[in-house]
Amino acid sequence: AQSVTQPDIHITVSEGASLELRCNYSYGATPYLFWYVQSPGQGLQLLLKYFSGDTLVQGIKGFEAEFKRSQSSFNLRKPSVHWSDAAEYFCAVGPNTGNQFYFGTGTSLTVIP
Amino acid sequence: NAGVTQTPKFRVLKTGQSMTLLCAQDMNHEYMYWYRQDPGMGLRLIHYSVGEGTTAKGEVPDGYNVSRLKKQNFLLGLESAAPSQTSVYFCASSWVGSYEQYFGPGTRLTVT
Repeated sequence: AQSVTQPDIHITVSEGASLELRCNYSYGATPYLFWYVQSPGQGLQLLLKYFSGDTLVQGIKGFEAEFKRSQSSFNLRKPSVHWSDAAEYFCAVGPNTGNQFYFGTGTSLTVIP
Repeated sequence: NAGVTQTPKFRVLKTGQSMTLLCAQDMNHEYMYWYRQDPGMGLRLIHYSVGEGTTAKGEVPDGYNVSRLKKQNFLLGLESAAPSQTSVYFCASSWVGSYEQYFGPGTRLTVT
C-alpha cells in the first residue's frame, strides 16, 4: 500500500540556519514525489516535484529535494531559512492506478529570529 | 485568472443537515479532487474526477457524494452531516499527466 511518513511533526530553526525536512514513502512503482507548502489559512502550493531523471530537484523559494531510491526518501532542504518560510510542509506521492495521491501528515516549521 | 475557488469559506451545520460545497477552476484542468484535512492526519482524498461527467471514490468517500456536470465545477455534497465530518475541505485541480495540483483556499466546516 502507498503511504508517506513525515517523522517530524514540528521543527524550529533560527533564521539563516539550514533546514532539512524528512519524507519517507512506500510505493509499489517508481513514484512521483511532491513537496507542498501551506501558509496559515491558505491552500497548498507546490514547492517542487520529482518525476524522473536528476535525483536532486530545485523548486521555488530556494528549496531543493533529493530523491534516494535506496532509502525511499525525498527530503526537502534549504540552505538558509527566512522568517517567511514558517508554514506547514507536506510531502506527497502518487498517483496510483486510480489517480490517487497520498499526503504525509505534515511538518510544521517555526522560524525564530 | 482566479485559479481554484471554493464556496463557502466557512459553514456551521447541525447534525443531519445537508449542504453542498462548490469548487470552480478556470484553468481548463481535466482532473479535480476533493480532500479533507484533519489535525495530525494530513490530507485525505474523498473523491476525484478525471473529466466532465466522471467521478471516482478516494480514500475516505463514505458520507459524501460528488458531481462534475461541467468541466470547471466539482461539487461535494453531504446528505446528512455528522460531527465526524467537521474538517477543512480542499479542492484541487490539475492537467492530465501533470499531476501538479492547484489548491483552493479551503472551506472550514463545523458540524455540531
